[in-house]
Amino acid sequence: AQSVAQPEDQVNVAEGNPLTVKCTYSVSGNPYLFWYVQYPNRGLQFLLKYITGDNLVKGSYGFEAEFNKSQTSFHLKKPSALVSDSALYFCAVRDMDSSASKIIFGSGTRLSIRP
Amino acid sequence: GAGVSQSPSNKVTEKGKDVELRCDPISGHTALYWYRQRLGQGLEFLIYFQGNSAPDKSGLPSDRFSAERTGESVSTLTIQRTQQEDSAVYLCASSPRDSAYNSPLHFGNGTRLTVT
Repeated sequence: AQSVAQPEDQVNVAEGNPLTVKCTYSVSGNPYLFWYVQYPNRGLQFLLKYITGDNLVKGSYGFEAEFNKSQTSFHLKKPSALVSDSALYFCAVRDMDSSASKIIFGSGTRLSIRP
Repeated sequence: GAGVSQSPSNKVTEKGKDVELRCDPISGHTALYWYRQRLGQGLEFLIYFQGNSAPDKSGLPSDRFSAERTGESVSTLTIQRTQQEDSAVYLCASSPRDSAYNSPLHFGNGTRLTVT
């Protein structure tokens, strides 16, 4: 069975500081990994994905994520946070080795950037 | 082009009534998902349709929940004898045919269901 864990319900960061939102996963095969963002009163938007290749993936709005196979992690990062980054962030996983597998989401992390 | 469309956007119903939620995916998208998001919580997987394959219903919380999809078009999620704990935002998402199954999901704006 596949699963995703986001250990932090909330992350608070000062504007201009680097941010990290943590995600760990469990799949029986190799993972496809995704990050999505949900802004207030708006739908979920795709940020970035890891399929294969470079472990550092770059996405929208200056975000990036690092895939670490040995730690089964896919943490979301940004070098310098903006107040407008405040939103709910979801990590998601799919088992690459099963064509019928579904995409499972984590419980979400609320990111709050203070001016 | 048009995105994923869900209707109604809001639904208030009395406990015990049946409700039907509709999702129109992006044209040509073969995969369709339903998720539930309770207030302030994460996305809970409900059901997954992929082309003509049998749907993955493993996330449906009880036999009061069912979903149908006609071909690669509209899907409806039906909740029978609604309970207050069914109150949530129900999200639909679709993705295109992709031989590697790694296409991102496109989400609708959801249906907010309130059971009184």
